[in-house]
Amino acid sequence: SQQGEEDPQALSIQEGENATMNCSYKTSINNLQWYRQNSGRGLVHLILIRSNEREKHSGRLRVTLDTSKKSSSLLITASRAADTASYFCATDGVGIGGSRLTFGEGTQLTVNP
Amino acid sequence: GAGVSQSPSNKVTEKGKDVELRCDPISGHTALYWYRQSLGQGLEFLIYFQGNSAPDKSGLPSDRFSAERTGGSVSTLTIQRTQQEDSAVYLCASKRGGIADTQYFGPGTRLTVL
Repeated sequence: SQQGEEDPQALSIQEGENATMNCSYKTSINNLQWYRQNSGRGLVHLILIRSNEREKHSGRLRVTLDTSKKSSSLLITASRAADTASYFCATDGVGIGGSRLTFGEGTQLTVNP
Repeated sequence: GAGVSQSPSNKVTEKGKDVELRCDPISGHTALYWYRQSLGQGLEFLIYFQGNSAPDKSGLPSDRFSAERTGGSVSTLTIQRTQQEDSAVYLCASKRGGIADTQYFGPGTRLTVL
């Protein structure tokens, strides 16, 4: 079963708008990562935030992490049609051997030109 | 190559046949993971390798599934006597080995069992 839950499940916006996706998880983590997936194939790593970090930026991406609420958000600013994809959060749980990732259900983002 | 590669990219097989899926991790990455993505189950962990050892096989769904890794590099996931519910995208990932390291994913193998 999936530890993470993401909302919304689907998000449709216009180019230039910001997109915010949220992720919740259940256990203590070492880090949380966000990935993008196009057309149901390989996952592209976007950003990793460690459990002792609260916010991280990479280009148009901003990720926050609230370990007290066991939640994270991914903000994409000034969205582009090319950002259309599925976005997944993945947690690396404390005490889980080998740092295998537990994925959320994903958010399908559609950016309309 | 610079990234994780997987082959074949697509595989169509008949129910009951065996299939082998291959993963070439990023050079120097000691940890290797197999995941599966299917419509009903989302992204699921299958097995983890550290070097050639598999300390965590807890995600393998049945004894029809097995995997090996040789030379601390290439890994093969084998599914015996395939069933229709095995249809999914099989994803491989590798990382250097530290807890905070990023897992980098390959493009996946789409398996269709008829």
